[in-house]
Amino acid sequence: KAGVTQTPRYLIKTRGQQVTLSCSPISGHRSVSWYQQTPGQGLQFLFEYFSETQRNKGNFPGRFSGRQFSNSRSEMNVSTLELGDSALYLCASSPTMGGYNEQFFGPGTRLTVL
Amino acid sequence: QKEVEQNSGPLSVPEGAIASLNCTYSDRGSQSFFWYRQYSGKSPELIMFIYSNGDKEDGRFTAQLNKASQYVSLLIRDSQPSDSATYLCAGRGYSTLTFGKGTMLLVSP
Repeated sequence: KAGVTQTPRYLIKTRGQQVTLSCSPISGHRSVSWYQQTPGQGLQFLFEYFSETQRNKGNFPGRFSGRQFSNSRSEMNVSTLELGDSALYLCASSPTMGGYNEQFFGPGTRLTVL
Repeated sequence: QKEVEQNSGPLSVPEGAIASLNCTYSDRGSQSFFWYRQYSGKSPELIMFIYSNGDKEDGRFTAQLNKASQYVSLLIRDSQPSDSATYLCAGRGYSTLTFGKGTMLLVSP
């Protein structure tokens, strides 16, 4: 079974631009979560989608948004990029939400904002 | 504020020794706990999870959970240099996973 895939793997943008990242979960998984990882803050939860609906949201500004499609693929968008948005963005999939479900991570998208 | 705390390390152990990684959590509603290993420049890889008090063994790895003390640990027996990585502890309640910042483990040959 194929793992979680994320595209693109690397991105370089300038301040003020916007960016869209894509995540395809493991086949059959319906929950997709997004995380931002930086050396100082560690892994921070952005949001979780299940059945095309955002179910949970972390403490990030409204510039960070996402969506999920009927095939469970998800996209994350960051508008008006800031230097501090430079990070590794990870998506993780699980069969369903919450409780005892393990999350499996994709390889991540490394975003650099200049 | 749900928090998961880990000592950042590095924890240095010689090859063949037992490495003990610890984690405490603040949310008593957390139902399950996960240990991930992350090599430098790579994404986290799930090692094992535990949701019942006590020990759970999987090969060289043993996870321990004590809900009364809000404490989770991971023991790695017969540590190998390839185990050198950052180990992330995460707790999950009804919704999201909350991660600790990770403990760096260095296993010297």
